[in-house]
Amino acid sequence: GENVEQHPSTLSVQEGDSAVIKCTYSDSASNYFPWYKQELGKGPQLIIDIRSNVGEKKDQRIAVTLNKTAKHFSLHITETQPEDSAVYFCAASALYGGSQGNLIFGKGTKLSVKP
Amino acid sequence: GAVVSQHPSRVICKSGTSVKIECRSLDFQATTMFWYRQFPKQSLMLMATSNEGSKATYEQGVEKDKFLINHASLTLSTLTVTSAHPEDSSFYICSAGQLQETQYFGPGTRLLVL
Repeated sequence: GENVEQHPSTLSVQEGDSAVIKCTYSDSASNYFPWYKQELGKGPQLIIDIRSNVGEKKDQRIAVTLNKTAKHFSLHITETQPEDSAVYFCAASALYGGSQGNLIFGKGTKLSVKP
Repeated sequence: GAVVSQHPSRVICKSGTSVKIECRSLDFQATTMFWYRQFPKQSLMLMATSNEGSKATYEQGVEKDKFLINHASLTLSTLTVTSAHPEDSSFYICSAGQLQETQYFGPGTRLLVL
C-alpha cells in the first residue's frame, strides 16, 4: 500500500522568510496530492492540491511542486506570516474511474513563524 | 470551497453511554464520507469509509460494532461510539468528497469519556 513520509517534523522560520516542507510517496499509482493546514483544535483545511498531470501549482504565497519520477512533492510558503503557524499535512491518493481514493497522510509538520 | 459541518463540536459523556456525531456536507452532495480519529500531536488515522446507501468499509483494527457508521443521504453521515470508555476519548474528524474530487474536512468533534 501507499506510504507517505513528511519532513521536517518541526520547522521554525522568521516572519518574511520562506518555508519548505517535503513529502515522498511510494505508490506510483497515486495521482492526487493535497496539502492541509490544521490549526489547534480544528479540522484540516485544504490549502492547495496538485494532480499528477502537472508539475507545479501556485496560489498567491503558496506553491506545490511534484516530481513524479522521484515520487516526491513539496509545499513552498513565501513571505511567511505569524498566522501561517500551524501543522501542515501532505497526503496522497489515487483518484480514478469513479473511485474516491483514500488519503494517505504524512505525519505532519509543525510550522512556527516568529514575528 | 466546500463546507462540511460536524455536530457536536465537543461532548463529555459517562463511561458506558453511546455518543452520536453528525457530519454534514452543506453545499454539495458527498458520494463518499470518511471518518478519522486523531490523537494529540499525531496524524489522522482513517477509521472507515462510507458510501451513501451502502455499508461502511472499516480499516483494519477498527471495531465496526463499536463505531457504528450510517450514511443515510448524500449530505449526512453519522458516527456512533457505542458503550464509550475513557480510551475512546479522542478528536474525531469527518471528511466528505465527490467522485474524483478532493476531500473536505469538518471542524472535528472532541470526545471526552469520563
